[in-house]
Amino acid sequence: EPEVTQTPSHQVTQMGQEVILRCVPISNHLYFYWYRQILGQKVEFLVSFYNNEISEKSEIFDDQFSVERPDGSNFTLKIRSTKLEDSAMYFCASSTWTGGVDGYTFGSGTRLTVV
Amino acid sequence: DQQVKQNSPSLSVQEGRISILNCDYTNSMFDYFLWYKKYPAEGPTFLISISSIKDKNEDGRFTVFLNKSAKHLSLHIVPSQPGDSAVYFCAAIPTQGGSEKLVFGKGTKLTVNP
Repeated sequence: EPEVTQTPSHQVTQMGQEVILRCVPISNHLYFYWYRQILGQKVEFLVSFYNNEISEKSEIFDDQFSVERPDGSNFTLKIRSTKLEDSAMYFCASSTWTGGVDGYTFGSGTRLTVV
Repeated sequence: DQQVKQNSPSLSVQEGRISILNCDYTNSMFDYFLWYKKYPAEGPTFLISISSIKDKNEDGRFTVFLNKSAKHLSLHIVPSQPGDSAVYFCAAIPTQGGSEKLVFGKGTKLTVNP
């Protein structure tokens, strides 16, 4: 079964450092997303990406965040200067969005710890 | 801003019995509702969805019911199995602006006891 792959599974970084979280979406999917889940809280939408541009973003997704699809397979989330409160599980997802929501698939996540 | 609410943080049922997980929403402009299952250290896994124009969708042991007038949906699992033990998230997709973002509830941890 096709899956969304995320690397690394766990990233520890110093406060103020830049991090790049990587994702390989399902190959025929056209829409890509990042979500995060702070420990004990709900999963929150960060950004959606379609046709090489951001289609929607939340208020969480400020200037510290950026996304990129550098080649035909990877989709990355960059946090420029990490803060302690950025510590969370970050989930990448992709979908076909043919009207069938069943295709909305999540990766296993990257646990980001900012120290 | 809790547009999707799961008021029960946990639920415990006996194997073979029915599990009923509840979800309420405040925004009338949701197009689809979805249920996801999540194990520790894994991403949410899609279980079942329902369009806002339907009131029931069934897939094997899983049935989702939607009551639009009450802004309430529920997931029924019958019979429950120990492998169903996980956190279950209710999620919704807004209609407006062609959004594809999922709005999640906080989740309900289901424990199915053998």
